[in-house]
Amino acid sequence: DAKTTQPNSMESNEEEPVHLPCNHSTISGTDYIHWYRQLPSQGPEYVIHGLTSNVNNRMASLAIAEDRKSSTLILHRATLRDAAVYYCILRTLSYNTDKLIFGTGTRLQVFP
Amino acid sequence: NAGVTQTPKFRVLKTGQSMTLLCAQDMNHEYMYWYRQDPGMGLRLIHYSVGEGTTAKGEVPDGYNVSRLKKQNFLLGLESAAPSQTSVYFCASSYSGDQETQYFGPGTRLLVL
Repeated sequence: DAKTTQPNSMESNEEEPVHLPCNHSTISGTDYIHWYRQLPSQGPEYVIHGLTSNVNNRMASLAIAEDRKSSTLILHRATLRDAAVYYCILRTLSYNTDKLIFGTGTRLQVFP
Repeated sequence: NAGVTQTPKFRVLKTGQSMTLLCAQDMNHEYMYWYRQDPGMGLRLIHYSVGEGTTAKGEVPDGYNVSRLKKQNFLLGLESAAPSQTSVYFCASSYSGDQETQYFGPGTRLLVL
């Protein structure tokens, strides 16, 4: 399985944009890029995913590099509730064996 | 909808004791998963199931057994608990395995003394 590299931690102030980077230089053509986050003392929750084009939803935006070797999760206005560990995960399109493989993620701290 | 629920929330075991963790989902999902998370680490897949009556091994299956007798339930068993199994256990479910979102439960914190 292709691996991802993320910074261990990042900081932001409330109401500022946050750009969380992820490197995946060995990504294959069938790998989707997924982001999950884990709030303190909770299970992970889905944030966003994409294949090639940039994606937007109510929680965040995902910017994918043209060569797909890196991507960035964008939180447009960080809130205190966004403090969490963010996981960038590659999922290979393979029927019946599709699994999430978590790394250690990026711990985001948000300051008032 | 309750989503994914886990029972119990917290448990303390002595080495050698057995227990079963229960995961239930009310979303009619086909796929269910058990993960463990050790301090400062990401989640690791223990076992998963692609449908009622089927189970498969994940990344770290040793010391655990699972059963999926009903579509909505996925049981994780520890036959003889060891201190190395002290962890937080998360259950998840998804409609299918193909890039579908996984929905996670709140976790079970297990301490083995």
